[in-house]
Amino acid sequence: DIQMTQSPSSLSASVGDRVTITCRASQGISNYLAWYQQKPGKVPKLLIYAASTLQSGVPSRFSGSGSGTDFTLTISSLQPEDVATYYCQKYNSALSITFGQGTRLEIK
Amino acid sequence: QVQLQESGPGLVKPSQTLSLTCTVSGGSISSGGYYWSWIRQHPGKGLEWIGYIYYSGSTYYNPSLKSRVTISVDTSKNQFSLKLSSVTAADTAVYYCARGGMWKVYFDYWGQGTLVTVSS
Repeated sequence: DIQMTQSPSSLSASVGDRVTITCRASQGISNYLAWYQQKPGKVPKLLIYAASTLQSGVPSRFSGSGSGTDFTLTISSLQPEDVATYYCQKYNSALSITFGQGTRLEIK
Repeated sequence: QVQLQESGPGLVKPSQTLSLTCTVSGGSISSGGYYWSWIRQHPGKGLEWIGYIYYSGSTYYNPSLKSRVTISVDTSKNQFSLKLSSVTAADTAVYYCARGGMWKVYFDYWGQGTLVTVSS
């Protein structure tokens, strides 16, 4: 089974900072990776799919990159409303869907 | 705009079967092209994929839950359902239904989630 490992598990940054969250797959998954944002008490929201394609309506300060085993989610200028837990999810196989353990992002 | 809504008991006794239904509006399950999915989140924890179903009835389950999970679809009601048998306290979680793309299974629409507590 392919494991997804996110780092860091938690992160504190200041408004306006550039923030990067990493997701690593234990085996190559091409670009079959999505990112979600879950605000406290809310439903997960799709941010990015195919590693780098922004979902409609998502602010352009969010971006994704990577292929194979290493992926990143970047917030170019952190906003207060970005406080959330972020999850990666692999979907290289329809028979096996796995999420990362999550990265909690807070404002410093 | 596709909307999904979970319904079902919020409290289930240990060893019994958890049953939830997801009602889809704003789109037809029968139109194809999507996997209709169940995902859960233990309190304060991450997301766990349970399984999904295609409108034809084809199912795919998380191997770790496969022996206890049944997902079914009722296209006439535009609903799909989850049954999880022999539940324990470890099955206490928020259960979400969601829509995933066929073959590219990321989840673009989610229900609001429903908390199911397993307790006597």
